[in-house]
Amino acid sequence: EVQLVESGGGLVKPGGSLRLSCAASGFTFSSYTMNWIRQAPGKGLEWVSSISSTGNYIFSAGSLKGRFTISRDNTKNSLYLQMNNLRADDTALYYCARNWQVAAADIWGQGTLVIVSS
Amino acid sequence: QSALTQPASVSGSPGQSIIISCTGTSSDIGGYNYVSWYQQHPGKAPKLLISDVSHRPSGVSYRFSGSKSDTTASLTISGLRAEDEADYYCSSHTSASTWVFGGGTKVTVL
Repeated sequence: EVQLVESGGGLVKPGGSLRLSCAASGFTFSSYTMNWIRQAPGKGLEWVSSISSTGNYIFSAGSLKGRFTISRDNTKNSLYLQMNNLRADDTALYYCARNWQVAAADIWGQGTLVIVSS
Repeated sequence: QSALTQPASVSGSPGQSIIISCTGTSSDIGGYNYVSWYQQHPGKAPKLLISDVSHRPSGVSYRFSGSKSDTTASLTISGLRAEDEADYYCSSHTSASTWVFGGGTKVTVL
């Protein structure tokens, strides 16, 4: 079964850091571009970042101003998101998603919740 | 990059057809044939319905179809069913090699 399982979310204080992980199974992880997409409570979807299959190409939302860094380890079939200097408006459910064609996501995890609050 | 513009809500009766619009700019929808649509039920992850403007992935019902004209993309749901009640999001590739999503449309089946 093709599956993505996120972990690492939790409660963090403003200015703090968190590292999210996404474990992939059931497909050849190293062949796919991967994405992080978030959804604030009661709000819409927001694309965060994408990383190519080899990790050579990375694109991120300009609004993040370099605070978030996407990475991957193909030997571990894992995707990561390092989040620094977290703000209250980073509070959201963070989804890991497999890229399909161009700028589409066909497989999504269940999400991991990040809450930034003092 | 501003979000794509979708109507907040659309409603229809069972069996009817509804259309959800998604308006962008020449830097996103108007510049590429890379528009996608997603369905999201409450508490669930989004599901890909349409990619590349009008391509339906395997397993997606034929009742969902996509199109595009200039800077506006559209999702048509034909033969509306109770299970189609959900939130729908469009997204597009952009000239900055990023993605942009629409604000979402809540579909209500009357």
